[in-house]
Amino acid sequence: DAEITQSPRHKITETGRQVTLACHQTWNHNNMFWYRQDLGHGLRLIHYSYGVQDTNKGEVSDGYSVSRSNTEDLPLTLESAASSQTSVYFCASSESKVTKNIQYFGAGTRLSVL
Amino acid sequence: AQKITQTQPGMFVQEKEAVTLDCTYDTSDPSYGLFWYKQPSSGEMIFLIYQGSYDQQNATEGRYSLNFQKARKSANLVISASQLGDSAMYFCAMREAEDSGGGADGLTFGKGTHLIIQP
Repeated sequence: DAEITQSPRHKITETGRQVTLACHQTWNHNNMFWYRQDLGHGLRLIHYSYGVQDTNKGEVSDGYSVSRSNTEDLPLTLESAASSQTSVYFCASSESKVTKNIQYFGAGTRLSVL
Repeated sequence: AQKITQTQPGMFVQEKEAVTLDCTYDTSDPSYGLFWYKQPSSGEMIFLIYQGSYDQQNATEGRYSLNFQKARKSANLVISASQLGDSAMYFCAMREAEDSGGGADGLTFGKGTHLIIQP
């Protein structure tokens, strides 16, 4: 079955370190997204991509970067982790140019920055 | 201003009763889509139901229905005959400009409603 997987599921790191969260989907979807979830804020969009070599900033992109070298993967990098980036991170994907364009989510990565 | 407002931080409902979770939205775009997601305690985000702004009828998916009142900008989720397994966080979300460019833009989420079904 097609799916979207995130790794690691849990990560503890120190402030200032570079961290990369992986997202891999086998839906063959063109669109991929990264969100963060914090108490009291719901989910907020970090970055998104329409396809290979395309990336776009979302609402809360400062301190994060993404790259899209193939259809299946959209890794999220925290260049220099900060305590304010402690959060649960969700990756999602959706098919292009389809009515509804439902986003399907991975299981999430819980990141703690100490 | 918030684009998605969920005014019920938490709700307690008796099993088998119907539940209405409120969602109001704010957009000036005539074309938009509204979504509801469920997040159980295990943490995953599960898609429940979708309503497009041009849809003439309210969306239904099994025990879930969406009470769409366009003039009031509300998109309430109705769960009929609630079950213990319905206990979860519920998020309302919106994507604007549904009819432009393939709808690849991200979703704007509300803060969620924590629903607890009591036996």
